[in-house]
Amino acid sequence: AQKVTQAQTEISVVEKEDVTLDCVYETRDTTYYLFWYKQPPSGELVFLIRRNSFDEQNEISGRYSWNFQKSTSSFNFTITASQVVDSAVYFCALSEAWGGGNKLTFGTGTQLKVEL
Amino acid sequence: KAGVTQTPRYLIKTRGQQVTLSCSPISGHRSVSWYQQTPGQGLQFLFEYFSETQRNKGNFPGRFSGRQFSNSRSEMNVSTLELGDSALYLCASSLFGQGEETQYFGPGTRLLVL
Repeated sequence: AQKVTQAQTEISVVEKEDVTLDCVYETRDTTYYLFWYKQPPSGELVFLIRRNSFDEQNEISGRYSWNFQKSTSSFNFTITASQVVDSAVYFCALSEAWGGGNKLTFGTGTQLKVEL
Repeated sequence: KAGVTQTPRYLIKTRGQQVTLSCSPISGHRSVSWYQQTPGQGLQFLFEYFSETQRNKGNFPGRFSGRQFSNSRSEMNVSTLELGDSALYLCASSLFGQGEETQYFGPGTRLLVL
């Protein structure tokens, strides 16, 4: 069975600090896909990134960067120079290539609070 | 392109009633998935529909059901509501419902059962 663990329940930082959100996953599949979503107070899940299990290249998009390490089954997300607008709950999720369709297994989320 | 839309956005029901929630996927998307989000259980997969057929189902009782229409719009129904069904119900769509595809979520329906 697949599982996603986000050990950090809540993180508080001051604006302009860098912050890393951790994600550890478990799966028996060799082909799988990892996702990060952001959930602002409005409730809608906003897609941030998708990574497949064959692509371990780190990715940077503006202030956001992602570090995928298969050896440690981790897919961590870093926000550089955080801003108040980054305050939200962030979810890491996993889907498998075979048999599960596109069913997403989510972690429990990390509440990020960015204060002035 | 318009995003995923869900109606209604808020709903209050009493125990024992039934409720129907609606979801319109992004134009061209044929797969619709439903998720339940509660503070205690987090985000949990309910079921997925593709071409009017349920392809995948999560671990929920039979009171939770759904269907999909020929235009890919989907509805989910919860019968005999219980207090524990109070949740945010999120709908997501993707092109074909394959594991590598990104699912795009709607704003959700907040259901309160009294």
